[in-house]
Amino acid sequence: QKEVEQNSGPLSVPEGAIASLNCTYSDRGSQSFFWYRQYSGKSPELIMFIYSNGDKEDGRFTAQLNKASQYVSLLIRDSQPSDSATYLCAVRGSYKLIFGSGTRLLVRP
Amino acid sequence: EAQVTQNPRYLITVTGKKLTVTCSQNMNHEYMSWYRQDPGLGLRQIYYSMNVEVTDKGDVPEGYKVSRKEKRNFPLILESPSPNQTSLYFCASSQREPRGNQPQHFGDGTRLSIL
Repeated sequence: QKEVEQNSGPLSVPEGAIASLNCTYSDRGSQSFFWYRQYSGKSPELIMFIYSNGDKEDGRFTAQLNKASQYVSLLIRDSQPSDSATYLCAVRGSYKLIFGSGTRLLVRP
Repeated sequence: EAQVTQNPRYLITVTGKKLTVTCSQNMNHEYMSWYRQDPGLGLRQIYYSMNVEVTDKGDVPEGYKVSRKEKRNFPLILESPSPNQTSLYFCASSQREPRGNQPQHFGDGTRLSIL
């Protein structure tokens, strides 16, 4: 079992819809969780982090964490074509981040 | 401008020919890290460094070496490259070990092809 699992996609949504990206992790002791966005051919950039159970909102982005279910998700409201990218989930391990393989999101105009 | 600079951006080379990928950051960060990214496998950490002269193995260190003689530089060395090291490589830095309020800054990546 991978430490951090994501569906590779692509997840295709129409412009203006809510995109829901999901991630599960295996280490029940994990405390910190991150979402990175990576455009094709570019480096990853951090868009959200979350430590506590529940929701954390930042603009059009909402991160949701459920430690009991070992599940973290990212919601993107009012999706735009410019949101089309690969979204990487990462979990903080011992002195490092452990990344999932990413979910490719396509937002159709 | 705060940045992490990797060189070269692209390299095609042959098996066994030693190569070095340089990484330099201008943010006085203590923590630096190397990742490789392969299709379907995501970002995997090769080595990391908590500070000058302090380095440690990540998840896939075999076939790689690093050094941290100065705070700003963290070169990745492939002593005898093999085709299975063909990949996209990223260097990253942060003030300390990765945390939400101390995000990692990534370089632009180095695409290596080992023939």
